[in-house]
This record gives sequence, C-alpha cells and structure tokens, in this order.
Amino acid sequence: DVKVTQSSRYLVKRTGEKVFLECVQDMDHENMFWYRQDPGLGLRLIYFSYDVKMKEKGDIPEGYSVSREKKERFSLILESASTNQTSMYLCASSSRDRENRPQHFGDGTRLSIL
Amino acid sequence: AQSVTQPDIHITVSEGASLELRCNYSYGATPYLFWYVQSPGQGLQLLLKYFSGDTLVQGIKGFEAEFKRSQSSFNLRKPSVHWSDAAEYFCASLLYNQGGKLIFGQGTELSVKP
Repeated sequence: DVKVTQSSRYLVKRTGEKVFLECVQDMDHENMFWYRQDPGLGLRLIYFSYDVKMKEKGDIPEGYSVSREKKERFSLILESASTNQTSMYLCASSSRDRENRPQHFGDGTRLSIL
Repeated sequence: AQSVTQPDIHITVSEGASLELRCNYSYGATPYLFWYVQSPGQGLQLLLKYFSGDTLVQGIKGFEAEFKRSQSSFNLRKPSVHWSDAAEYFCASLLYNQGGKLIFGQGTELSVKP
C-alpha cells in the first residue's frame, strides 16, 4: 500500500513565524501535491511537483513556497505565517504511470496560526 | 473547461438503507474518474477508480460506481449503509494533459441515522 506521511497532525504557530510542513511518500512516485482544505471552499491546490527540484504553482500559491530536494519528500513552507493560513493541509502523491494515476493522500496537518 | 459537480451537499440515510451519491463531469473524451472518502479530521482515502473498460467498478468498503457516458455521470452506490460510512465523499477527475492534477467536486457529506 502507498504510504504518504505528513510530519505533524496538529501544529500551532504564531503570526510571522516561518513554518515548515513535511511530507514523505514511500512509493517512488514522481508527482507530489500540496492542498489546503477549508469549509465551503473544498480542496485547493497550492503547489505541485513533477520531479525532484521541479515545482509549479497551483491555484493559490501566494504566501507559500515548496522544496523538493529528494524524490520522496515534498515540503511546504509558509514564509511568514498569517492567521488566514489557518487551515487543514493535505499532501498527496501519484505516479506518472497511466494505470496508477490516483493521488494518494496523507492524514493531513491541521495548522493553527495565532 | 473540465468540471466535476456533486449536486448534493448533504445527504442523510438510515442505517441499512441503500445509498447513491451523484457525480457529473464535463469532458469531451473518456475521463479518468475517482471517488474518495474523508472521515472527520483525516485525509482522503481512494474508494475506486475508472479509466476504461467495464463501466461498473468495484471499490473498497463495499462501494461501487457506474460510469454512464450518455449522462456524463459517475455515481457512487452502496447497497446497505453502515454507521461507519458517515463521512464526506469527493468525486474527482484527472485533468487532461496536466500531468497528475485532479479536479474535485465540492463534496457530499453523508450522515447515517440509526
């Protein structure tokens, strides 16, 4: 089974802090994704990556950056956290192989910015 | 543009009753379609997927879905609902020619009455 592991289930940070959310997958997937999920707004794509050191902006990249130095790890960075970034963050990975395209999700990180 | 619509925001069914969750897509060719389930505070779990071939697909937890091209639908069904099925359900489609990106419906929240 695919395993996508997010480093924290719950995280509380202060406004202005630099925040790192880590995600690791164990299936050698090429694609990795970061979403945020808010009530009434569904899942929104922040950033995604097709390969190591490669990244592309999703629908809501403002205030975020990402890092993918190794294939299995995709980090989301909040450069200067703000209260409107309080949300549930979900990481996912998928294969480029056509038959294995479904995205597999981690358990999520519920981030609160005070 | 591709889209995925889940017309029902919230559905309540009695335990033991049958269930059908609706999903409509817009896409000219045959889409890649998925259903995910999300329990409170958790990530998304893949229930089933459709790429091609048999239009009735079986998934985990006793769920199935039927692809109907004529109706642009991919409805999720279960013959007998259990209280543990209470969750939010998301229909999703692979975006054409955009690598592994998905487009999600807004989700249907399922409540189960005793």
